[in-house]
Amino acid sequence: SQTIHQWPATLVQPVGSPLSLECTVEGTSNPNLYWYRQAAGRGLQLLFYSVGIGQISSEVPQNLSASRPQDRQFILSSKKLLLSDSGFYLCAWGMTASHEQYFGPGTRLTVT
Amino acid sequence: AQSVAQPEDQVNVAEGNPLTVKCTYSVSGNPYLFWYVQYPNRGLQFLLKYITGDNLVKGSYGFEAEFNKSQTSFHLKKPSALVSDSALYFCAVRPTSSGSARQLTFGSGTQLTVLP
Repeated sequence: SQTIHQWPATLVQPVGSPLSLECTVEGTSNPNLYWYRQAAGRGLQLLFYSVGIGQISSEVPQNLSASRPQDRQFILSSKKLLLSDSGFYLCAWGMTASHEQYFGPGTRLTVT
Repeated sequence: AQSVAQPEDQVNVAEGNPLTVKCTYSVSGNPYLFWYVQYPNRGLQFLLKYITGDNLVKGSYGFEAEFNKSQTSFHLKKPSALVSDSALYFCAVRPTSSGSARQLTFGSGTQLTVLP
């Protein structure tokens, strides 16, 4: 069966510091991968998605970036965090042949 | 562009009573529709989907949803609510014409509280 991991689970970082969040998927090949941010426990904002290694599409221009160095690894990064980057970051995977997405447990980021 | 509306921020229901969480959508062409549930500080869990066929779809934990094309709605229902159903529920849509990336558009969420 497929599983998706995210780490760290929680993170507190000062403004201006760098960020690296990691997501990995097990039990499948060539997944579509997604990064979402959820602010204030509500709506989800799609940040990035990837249909293959090295292929990244950005939905919202901001100081975040994403990379996919391996088929089942998706990384969210920032060079300098802003206060507004605080939120709950969710990684998800899906397959082109199917329709739904499956979400990881999330990372709670607090920028102080 | 597609959009999803969940008109109720909060729904309260007594345990044992039927529950309905509302969702309406706007999409070009035919939609794929989804419901997810989120417990506090957790990721979203997939509940059910409508792709094609029978308008009434059944999902996990006794939930079901009815697709109504004329009303562009996809309401989530359960005949008898449990306290453990208390959570945040999200409706999502994707047009059938979307590309290989299969992006979903989510509603703003509805907080369901089941009162004992």
